[in-house]
Amino acid sequence: RKEVEQDPGPFNVPEGATVAFNCTYSNSASQSFFWYRQDCRKEPKLLMSVYSSGNEDGRFTAQLNRASQYISLLIRDSKLSDSATYLCVVNDGNQGGKLIFGQGTELSVKP
Amino acid sequence: NAGVTQTPKFRILKIGQSMTLQCTQDMNHNYMYWYRQDPGMGLKLIYYSVGAGITDKGEVPNGYNVSRSTTEDFPLRLELAAPSQTSVYFCASSYVVGGATEAFFGQGTRLTVV
Repeated sequence: RKEVEQDPGPFNVPEGATVAFNCTYSNSASQSFFWYRQDCRKEPKLLMSVYSSGNEDGRFTAQLNRASQYISLLIRDSKLSDSATYLCVVNDGNQGGKLIFGQGTELSVKP
Repeated sequence: NAGVTQTPKFRILKIGQSMTLQCTQDMNHNYMYWYRQDPGMGLKLIYYSVGAGITDKGEVPNGYNVSRSTTEDFPLRLELAAPSQTSVYFCASSYVVGGATEAFFGQGTRLTVV
C-alpha cells in the first residue's frame, strides 16, 4: 500500500462546479497534513494545512478523519484559475519532519 | 525574500557525467529535502536532512549523494548520470518542531541525461 494515495484523476469540471478530492494515508502516527497546489512545471505551493477540526479558507474546505486515515479537499464554485494539480502531503509519523507526497490529482476547470 | 534558491534551472548531461545541484535557503529552517518529479508523477523523496551534519535516505536515494555542512546549504550530487535520472528536481526546506510545518520549494532544476 502506498504511504499516501490520492484519487487518480484527472477531474474535468465546468466553472462553478463543486469538486472533492480524497486522500488516504497509511501511517497512523502521522500528525501533520497539508494540501499543496502545483501549476504546470512549477514548484508546489502550500494551499492549506489540514486540522483535526476541519478548516475552511474561502472556497476551499479541508477535512481530516483520523480514524479512517482519510483527508479531503472540497473546492466550491470552481474558477478557471483553480486548474492545477493538487497534492496531498502527510508527515512521516516516525520522522516528524519528513514529508510524503501523494501522486497528485489533476483538476481542469472548463468555461 | 530569496527563500529557497536552486541552481542551475536547466541542465543537459551526458551519460556517465557527474554534477551537483545547488540548494540554499535563507529562512534558518532545520529540515531540507530533495525530491524528484518525473513527468505526470508525484514527488519522490531522494534525501532529506534534519539539520547540519545529519542526512538520511528517502524513497529513491540510489545514484545520488548529499551533504549538509551548514544550515543554509544542501547540495545534491549525481554521480555517473543515467537516462533514468532525467527528471525535475526540487529542493525544499521547512522549520520542524514536533510535527511538520509548511515546506517551501525552490523553482526546480530540469535535468536531461542523454
